[in-house]
Amino acid sequence: EDQVTQSPEALRLQEGESSSLNCSYTVSGLRGLFWYRQDPGKGPEFLFTLYSAGEEKEKERLKATLTKKESFLHITAPKPEDSATYLCAVQAMDDMRFGAGTRLTVKP
Amino acid sequence: EAGVTQFPSHSVIEKGQTVTLRCDPISGHDNLYWYRRVMGKEIKFLLHFVKESKQDESGMPNNRFLAERTGGTYSTLKVQPAELEDSGVYFCASSRDSNYGYTFGSGTRLTVV
Repeated sequence: EDQVTQSPEALRLQEGESSSLNCSYTVSGLRGLFWYRQDPGKGPEFLFTLYSAGEEKEKERLKATLTKKESFLHITAPKPEDSATYLCAVQAMDDMRFGAGTRLTVKP
Repeated sequence: EAGVTQFPSHSVIEKGQTVTLRCDPISGHDNLYWYRRVMGKEIKFLLHFVKESKQDESGMPNNRFLAERTGGTYSTLKVQPAELEDSGVYFCASSRDSNYGYTFGSGTRLTVV
């Protein structure tokens, strides 16, 4: 059965303290791995799509990488406004399967 | 470009009642998806429309849930009769192409009491 596991469940960082979030997956026929950001009371906001192992994408302080078994979302010198829940999702056949998310808090 | 709009944003109903959620996707997006997140769990897929046709409804929990997308524009998700375990946040998303990231609405928070 397809599975998506995110770790840690919650992460507290000081402003400027870089770290990484992990998304491990087992899926047959990966079509894409997606990272979303979700703020309280809002829907997930699309960040990146990765399609093949070795691929990397960057956006401001965020960088996503992909291997055959996992993806990392690296956050460099985070700011308080980066606080949110970060969701990983994999697309196999037709639907997208989400992980439970990592709740990131960045303290000033 | 207007985003995905969901209505209502919150709904509190009694067990046994009926509730209808509505989703207006981004204009021109043929793909429309319903997801839900129940307390403490991950977001789970319910179903996928391509235009007015149900492409995949494997995530629908039972026959108390009925989704429609007449005319291939907005979609409704009806829960009848609602049960306590139906409480959660129901998200709608749309995309132009199923291979790309979806645009999500803000969700409808459903509470069944």
